[in-house]
Amino acid sequence: DAGVIQSPRHEVTEMGQEVTLRCKPISGHDYLFWYRQTMMRGLELLIYFNNNVPIDDSGMPEDRFSAKMPNASFSTLKIQPSEPRDSAVYFCASSPTGTPEKLFFGSGTQLSVL
Amino acid sequence: KNQVEQSPQSLIILEGKNCTLQCNYTVSPFSNLRWYKQDTGRGPVSLTIMTFSENTKSNGRYTATLDADTKQSSLHITASQLSDSASYICVVTDKTSYDKVIFGPGTSLSVIP
Repeated sequence: DAGVIQSPRHEVTEMGQEVTLRCKPISGHDYLFWYRQTMMRGLELLIYFNNNVPIDDSGMPEDRFSAKMPNASFSTLKIQPSEPRDSAVYFCASSPTGTPEKLFFGSGTQLSVL
Repeated sequence: KNQVEQSPQSLIILEGKNCTLQCNYTVSPFSNLRWYKQDTGRGPVSLTIMTFSENTKSNGRYTATLDADTKQSSLHITASQLSDSASYICVVTDKTSYDKVIFGPGTSLSVIP
């Protein structure tokens, strides 16, 4: 298995633009997580899904952020409109049923909003 | 409030030396504790998991310990290598929220020749 795949690897955009981050979890994993990592705050959970259903989105900072998981093999995190303070590394992780806390992370998307 | 703290914040050691990283948590009830290694520009990777009943667990040159009474864990790295340079993150799972984890801020380790 190729592991969790995220795209793009890097994204540079201007303030106000829409940004879409993509994630393909490991096949067979029932949990999918979106994290944001900054130097100041470390890793923060934004939202997670179980069997494609959003379970907890309390970490989503505001209405500008939205996430979807239309099927078991694909998820998106969208920011609209983007702001400079959204600049961070966004990680997607998946985990299997039985050990949902054993997270397999993707390589992340480095987002820079100018 | 459930929290995970780590010390030191950063550490520089010479290649070949040993080091110990600390993790203190207030998560209760406790389910398990994992140590992750995060290389620069990569996502974290799980090194080891400790459950309530386990005191020590090794993974190659990495040895994790857990004292569930004092709510402390340590990660000991033996005979450090340049490739050990990374951030080490302590992650604790709350037993009441089995599918949610609490991340520590990490310890940044630099191994220099």
